[in-house]
Parts: sequence; C-alpha cells; structure tokens
Amino acid sequence: AQSVAQPEDQVNVAEGNPLTVKCTYSVSGNPYLFWYVQYPNRGLQFLLKYITGDNLVKGSYGFEAEFNKSQTSFHLKKPSALVSDSALYFCAVRGTGGYNKLIFGAGTRLAVHP
Amino acid sequence: EAGVVQSPRYKIIEKKQPVAFWCNPISGHNTLYWYLQNLGQGPELLIRYENEEAVDDSQLPKDRFSAERLKGVDSTLKIQPAELGDSAVYLCASSPSPGGTEFFGPGTRLTVL
Repeated sequence: AQSVAQPEDQVNVAEGNPLTVKCTYSVSGNPYLFWYVQYPNRGLQFLLKYITGDNLVKGSYGFEAEFNKSQTSFHLKKPSALVSDSALYFCAVRGTGGYNKLIFGAGTRLAVHP
Repeated sequence: EAGVVQSPRYKIIEKKQPVAFWCNPISGHNTLYWYLQNLGQGPELLIRYENEEAVDDSQLPKDRFSAERLKGVDSTLKIQPAELGDSAVYLCASSPSPGGTEFFGPGTRLTVL
C-alpha cells in the first residue's frame, strides 16, 4: 500500500535562513513524488514533481526537492526562506505500474518569522 | 490559462439538507477528481472521472454522495442528506491525462450545523 509521512506538524524558520520540510514515502514500484502548497482558504498549488532523472528537482518560487531512493525520502528545501513562504505544505506520492491514485501526507505547517 | 473553478466557495447548511458543489476543470483536461479534505489532514480522493466515465469511485460513500460529469467537462458533487461529519473542504482537481500532474481548484468549505 502507498503511504506518505510528514514527520513534522510545524517547521519554524527565521527569514533568510534555509528551510527543509521532510517527507518519506512507501510505494510499490518507482514513485512519482509531488509537493503542493496551500495558503489559507485556497486550494493546493503545485510546486514541483519528481518522475525520473536528476534527483534534485527545481520548482516554483525557488523551492527544490531532493529524491533519495535509499532513504525513500523527498525533502523540500529552499536556500533562503521568505515570510511569504508561510503556508501548509503537502507531500504526495503515486506508485507506477498502472494507474495509482495520489496519496497525500498530513501536511506540514511552515512558519517563517521576520 | 484559467485554473480550476469551483463554486460555491463556502456553504453552510443544516444537517439532513442536500448540497451540491460545482467544478469546471482546466480546458482540455480530460481527467477530473473530487477530493475531501478534513481539517488538519491531506486531501483524500473521492472519485475520478475520465471524460464522462467515473473510473474510480471506490472511496465515494454512495449511500449519500453522488457525482456526475455528463458532458465530460463540468462536474457536480452532491450530498443528500448531509450529516455533521460531512463538514470539510471539497476540492476539485483536473489533469491532462490519468496520472498527470493534478491542478486544484480553491475548494468549497462546507459547514453542516
């Protein structure tokens, strides 16, 4: 069965510092991995995805994520956090080998302090 | 390019009343999804459409929930009758093809009193 774990309910970072939001997954076959961001009273916005190829994926708003197959992780990173990055972040995974639905983690709230 | 459109954005009803949500996907996206997002949780798939066909409705509580996508474009999700536990955000998403990147609408926040 597919599953996603986001071990931190909240991450606190000072503006200008690097940030990491953690995600680990379990899936049969090779994973398709996604990060979405949700601002208050808004839907989920797509940030980036890993399908195949380079383990470091670059996405919107300066975010990037690193796929690590041996650790089954897909952590979201940004070199310098902005206050406007404060939001709820969701990691999601889809297995391959036929259609598999997207499974989301519970979300991590990122708070960037001035 | 216009994104996924949903209406209404907010809905407050009393329990046992019916309610309907509407979704217009991104133009050209044949795959449409309805998700349920409870407070503090990630979205969970309710139903997936390929054009007008519901190809995965295994998570849809069929005793009270129904959905349709008659012409393969717009979709409606209905609850009848609503229960207190149905209070949540209902998200619609679309993708160009099955398994493609899913793009989400703003959601409808339902409150059942």
